[in-house]
Amino acid sequence: RKEVEQDPGPFNVPEGATVAFNCTYSNSASQSFFWYRQDCRKEPKLLMSVYSSGNEDGRFTAQLNRASQYISLLIRDSKLSDSATYLCVVLSYNFNKFYFGSGTKLNVKP
Amino acid sequence: DTEVTQTPKHLVMGMTNKKSLKCEQHMGHRAMYWYKQKAKKPPELMFVYSYEKLSINESVPSRFSPECPNSSLLNLHLHALQPEDSALYLCASSTRTDDTGELFFGEGSRLTVL
Repeated sequence: RKEVEQDPGPFNVPEGATVAFNCTYSNSASQSFFWYRQDCRKEPKLLMSVYSSGNEDGRFTAQLNRASQYISLLIRDSKLSDSATYLCVVLSYNFNKFYFGSGTKLNVKP
Repeated sequence: DTEVTQTPKHLVMGMTNKKSLKCEQHMGHRAMYWYKQKAKKPPELMFVYSYEKLSINESVPSRFSPECPNSSLLNLHLHALQPEDSALYLCASSTRTDDTGELFFGEGSRLTVL
């Protein structure tokens, strides 16, 4: 079983749509959780850290459910510029490894 | 602007060449990482350095040789590579391996092996 699992998509949505990505992780003792965004042929960049209380940054909302070992990312009012691959990343319980999901590709269309 | 700097951005080498990838960060981070990324795949961990000591080698072939000369620098020495080693090589850093902070990536070195 993979440490982190994501729906690879692609998600094709119109501008203005709300889209949600989900991610599950296998190790209940995992320490930290992140969403990264990666544009084509570029490096991953941190979008948001994910906290148990949930956190919001503008149009982006991240949630963590430790009981279900589940992380989500909600994007509201999608923009063309949101088109990218979104990577779910989990820091292992013994801190020394970051586990990556396979990434979910988002295409926002006019 | 990334705070992790990688050079060169692009590298083409033959299978008999020896080359090096370089990475530098000045954020005071004590954990540094090499990842390999193929198209449409997530980054794949190769090596982790913690306080300038190699702490993880993910069974990487010996034709890849990492080096951490000091807390700011990380090198990846390449020798006798194969065409399937062509990929984006990403350097990353984090505060420490016993901390909960995120990874900071460099822009990557895109390697083509002919």
